[in-house]
Amino acid sequence: DAKTTQPTSMDCAEGRAANLPCNHSTISGNEYVYWYRQIHSQGPQYIIHGLKNNETNEMASLIITEDRKSSTLILPHATLRDTAVYYCIVSQYNFNKFYFGSGTKLNVKP
Amino acid sequence: DAGVIQSPRHEVTEMGQEVTLRCKPISGHNSLFWYRQTMMRGLELLIYFNNNVPIDDSGMPEDRFSAKMPNASFSTLKIQPSEPRDSAVYFCASRGDLRLFFGSGTQLSVL
Repeated sequence: DAKTTQPTSMDCAEGRAANLPCNHSTISGNEYVYWYRQIHSQGPQYIIHGLKNNETNEMASLIITEDRKSSTLILPHATLRDTAVYYCIVSQYNFNKFYFGSGTKLNVKP
Repeated sequence: DAGVIQSPRHEVTEMGQEVTLRCKPISGHNSLFWYRQTMMRGLELLIYFNNNVPIDDSGMPEDRFSAKMPNASFSTLKIQPSEPRDSAVYFCASRGDLRLFFGSGTQLSVL
């Protein structure tokens, strides 16, 4: 039931920026874009979310296209500890139907 | 804040036994979610509560699964009787400040 499409896996060199894309062409006007990551078998960890505008926090930046049909998560300086599965999710504010897709496995290499 | 607390961390049981998983959400959060994760199916939403009331249980796989939230600080997910195909990691999450916060999960193995 996930409404997003992400690449299965990506590689990134340590210290470089990691840019993770997500397509959500059927997003509704009141749905947010959320990014979570899961390191090994830990619980998913919140990274960032946005509605229309680009967002930045201490972990990452979120770039949302003007038509809101796609977004990119940017980890500015990837480290080995950023190796994880990254999930892009669209959801209304009430989190009804907060579904995870398959995500992108990011491999950060030395 | 201790975060979302789940217990036990690991549970090993035999087929046919009853299993109860427990979750304590973050204080002040009024929504609670149960997810199941397997290699084959990924993270699946099983059920979620709002103000202790079950809102959507369409993800609960079958009648062997039941979930309760008797108060704002406690929820249980029960499987009776358990089967080997129920082996998975079960996560609980609570919602606050437009974010979901996840617990560390319960690794369930049904032999």
